[in-house]
Amino acid sequence: GESVGLHLPTLSVQEGDNSIINCAYSNSASDYFIWYKQESGKGPQFIIDIRSNMDKRQGQRVTVLLNKTVKHLSLQIAATQPGDSAVYFCAENPSLQGAQKLVFGQGTRLTINP
Amino acid sequence: NAGVMQNPRHLVRRRGQEARLRCSPMKGHSHVYWYRQLPEEGLKFMVYLQKENIIDESGMPKERFSAEFPKEGPSILRIQQVVRGDSAAYFCASSPLPSRGEQYFGPGTRLTVT
Repeated sequence: GESVGLHLPTLSVQEGDNSIINCAYSNSASDYFIWYKQESGKGPQFIIDIRSNMDKRQGQRVTVLLNKTVKHLSLQIAATQPGDSAVYFCAENPSLQGAQKLVFGQGTRLTINP
Repeated sequence: NAGVMQNPRHLVRRRGQEARLRCSPMKGHSHVYWYRQLPEEGLKFMVYLQKENIIDESGMPKERFSAEFPKEGPSILRIQQVVRGDSAAYFCASSPLPSRGEQYFGPGTRLTVT
């Protein structure tokens, strides 16, 4: 069945270092992936997305890598700042046609140490 | 441009009462999704609606839960005869077109059943 999981539930990094958050997905038919950031008491905030016809996409301080061979997704955050502390979720959309539900992973809590 | 709006932000109900959660999508968005999040977990899809139509309700419990998105006004998630297990954060998301994939989330309604 559909499932998205994360390798690590928590991650602590020093301010200024780079962070890498990983995600494994099981549905090989998924063709669209999103990373969300959720701060305490708030809704998920869209960070970056990637479609299955790409293997890398860059945004401002963030990069998403997609490895379809091993069904692995990662989010890289460069030069982490205190404001990056949050829970990060990967989500997959099994199909861009028809039903549009997103399947979320459990989340990784990122803590930035000063 | 206002984002997705949800109200109330916090809702307390006694067991057996009804809960009504409201969601106004972003301007120009006609697709609405409801998700439920338990503490320390990822979001779980409940239902996907377009104006006056339920497209996918595969994540909705069969009993006590219903959703609508009328021609005018916000989308409503209704929970009848609430039980303690309904306590969770309920998030609404909207998107402009299903083919775009990305969904933008509101701040959520935190339901507590006492």
